Amino acid sequence: DTGVSQNPRHKITKRGQNVTFRCDPISEHNRLYWYRQTLGQGPEFLTYFQNEAQLEKSRLLSDRFSAERPKGSFSTLEIQRTEQGDSAMYLCASSFRTALSTEAFFGQGTRLTVV
Amino acid sequence: GENVEQHPSTLSVQEGDSAVIKCTYSDSASNYFPWYKQELGKGPQLIIDIRSNVGEKKDQRIAVTLNKTAKHFSLHITETQPEDSAVYFCASGGYALNFGKGTSLLVTP
Repeated sequence: DTGVSQNPRHKITKRGQNVTFRCDPISEHNRLYWYRQTLGQGPEFLTYFQNEAQLEKSRLLSDRFSAERPKGSFSTLEIQRTEQGDSAMYLCASSFRTALSTEAFFGQGTRLTVV
Repeated sequence: GENVEQHPSTLSVQEGDSAVIKCTYSDSASNYFPWYKQELGKGPQLIIDIRSNVGEKKDQRIAVTLNKTAKHFSLHITETQPEDSAVYFCASGGYALNFGKGTSLLVTP
């Protein structure tokens, strides 16, 4: 499968615990994005990387959230001291920036439930 | 920031009929307008997109139109089939996308 891969698919954690999600983008895609989606809503942009550089962070990304893409390939999203409001689907997408196209392809997402 | 409004929130059509979903956006700098289909438990799937220098684009049963002056764009699905049933999202922006709230489309046989 050459699509965007996210792990784990589901995560249940207790409030106050830290969680980390992983995203493997489509091979050779230089841009990687994280979005959050709550029930009945569209995805909301959190942050994006071009290669290993994190170029933009949404105001939705509080200090408890950190994302990395150390070698410009896979990325991790960590949430520290989780809160019930963090419960959502966390989506990763990747794209290959060219002059003509910025189509972003999404993974299946990681569903986080904070109890 | 960018605001994307999407209508209707739910749409029910009979198999073979057409479905139209409309979106408006607020940021005149937006130049890219994709549409995504999301099935239950899955990530959004890109189905068609249009750039700001084009007014219309078609791919088999799916078409998208863009009116930059009025800041609105629409998705048209013709000859709908039950497997078209899903939630459809419009989005606008550049590298970071702003999504609408989605339209739940139900195609009944």
